[in-house]
Amino acid sequence: AQKVTQAQTEISVVEKEDVTLDCVYETRDTTYYLFWYKQPPSGELVFLIRRNSFDEQNEISGRYSWNFQKSTSSFNFTITASQVVDSAVYFCALSERNAGNMLTFGGGTRLMVKP
Amino acid sequence: NAGVTQTPKFQVLKTGQSMTLQCAQDMNHEYMSWYRQDPGMGLRLIHYSVGAGITDQGEVPNGYNVSRSTTEDFPLRLLSAAPSQTSVYFCASGQGAYNEQFFGPGTRLTVL
Repeated sequence: AQKVTQAQTEISVVEKEDVTLDCVYETRDTTYYLFWYKQPPSGELVFLIRRNSFDEQNEISGRYSWNFQKSTSSFNFTITASQVVDSAVYFCALSERNAGNMLTFGGGTRLMVKP
Repeated sequence: NAGVTQTPKFQVLKTGQSMTLQCAQDMNHEYMSWYRQDPGMGLRLIHYSVGAGITDQGEVPNGYNVSRSTTEDFPLRLLSAAPSQTSVYFCASGQGAYNEQFFGPGTRLTVL
């Protein structure tokens, strides 16, 4: 069965610090997809990134970067030079090709960026 | 485009009452799903649908029913509300579970 673990329930940093949010997943499938979503205090869920299991290239988008390592079953998310607007709950999610269209979320990491 | 819409935004029920949470999308997505969000537990999949007339159970389906008569609508029915169903409910749609999901604004449900 697919499983996603976000061991960090809460992280607090001061503005301009770099911060990494960890995501570890479990899957028996060779084809799967990983996602990150952001939930700001307003409550909506915003898609950040999608990565398939055959693409291990790291991705950078502005201050955001993602490190996908199949060897350790991890898909970590780093925010460089954090800002107060980055304060949110961040969710990692997994969908297996053979899991019958189920998308499994981790428990989320609450990031608080203080000015 | 309105995206994914959910009604109501807030609801208070008494134990044993039934109600339907509405969800609609205007993006012609085949895949739609319902999640509940509880503190510390992330989002858990209740039911999902891969197209009109096709639904399946997710991780926590007990106490909920769904149907999908059209591509646009995917209502979630609570048969007999229980306090354990107090949660925030999100509806989502996408081009399959493997792609970006678009979420509605959520419904905050309290069962007394």
